[in-house]
Amino acid sequence: GAGVSQSPRYKVAKRGQDVALRCDPISGHVSLFWYQQALGQGPEFLTYFQNEAQLDKSGLPSDRFFAERPEGSVSTLKIQRTQQEDSAVYLCASTLAWIGELFFGEGSRLTVL
Amino acid sequence: SQQGEEDPQALSIQEGENATMNCSYKTSINNLQWYRQNSGRGLVHLILIRSNEREKHSGRLRVTLDTSKKSSSLLITASRAADTASYFCATVGTSGSRLTFGEGTQLTVNP
Repeated sequence: GAGVSQSPRYKVAKRGQDVALRCDPISGHVSLFWYQQALGQGPEFLTYFQNEAQLDKSGLPSDRFFAERPEGSVSTLKIQRTQQEDSAVYLCASTLAWIGELFFGEGSRLTVL
Repeated sequence: SQQGEEDPQALSIQEGENATMNCSYKTSINNLQWYRQNSGRGLVHLILIRSNEREKHSGRLRVTLDTSKKSSSLLITASRAADTASYFCATVGTSGSRLTFGEGTQLTVNP
């Protein structure tokens, strides 16, 4: 596609439910990033893939967060047993040549009740 | 944790005026980037300046970088109502492992 696509755009989950957020990067982009953005704050780094390899997952806040990119293209961010503090916008970004500019998707807004 | 701090947190100006936003960071960088975010949307890259550059222009945007002070500024000239958005600076450290964002400046341009 022309840009980074994320789905769903909005997700409401009950506390304790598992959620999965999908990211389709720009075709051919090797590097893929996930960020978490709380309301009124800047994006916080979660994890980084180069092709299918997860090179940095130091930003994942707990072991309830898991990300994968099995074929080096589409990525999924999974949050198990969601908590209220997980409510945020989850942004995916991709790039062809790191460490240049990132191309962001519109984000997935997660609300945990 | 945030690498950069933007100043001011919020800025309100009239159309046609210039808007200046500042960013300070803590560690050595490879490059510094500025992004724009409209409400409820993703971030859009505006400009990248490398650590060995001091100034860069793109249309109505002018970015400066002072590595000795670990600071950068973004100037938007002749602002328009459509420039209303949040503006974030982001840095890539010398290890180059990630892009780290600041807290952002909320710019409002009144018509």
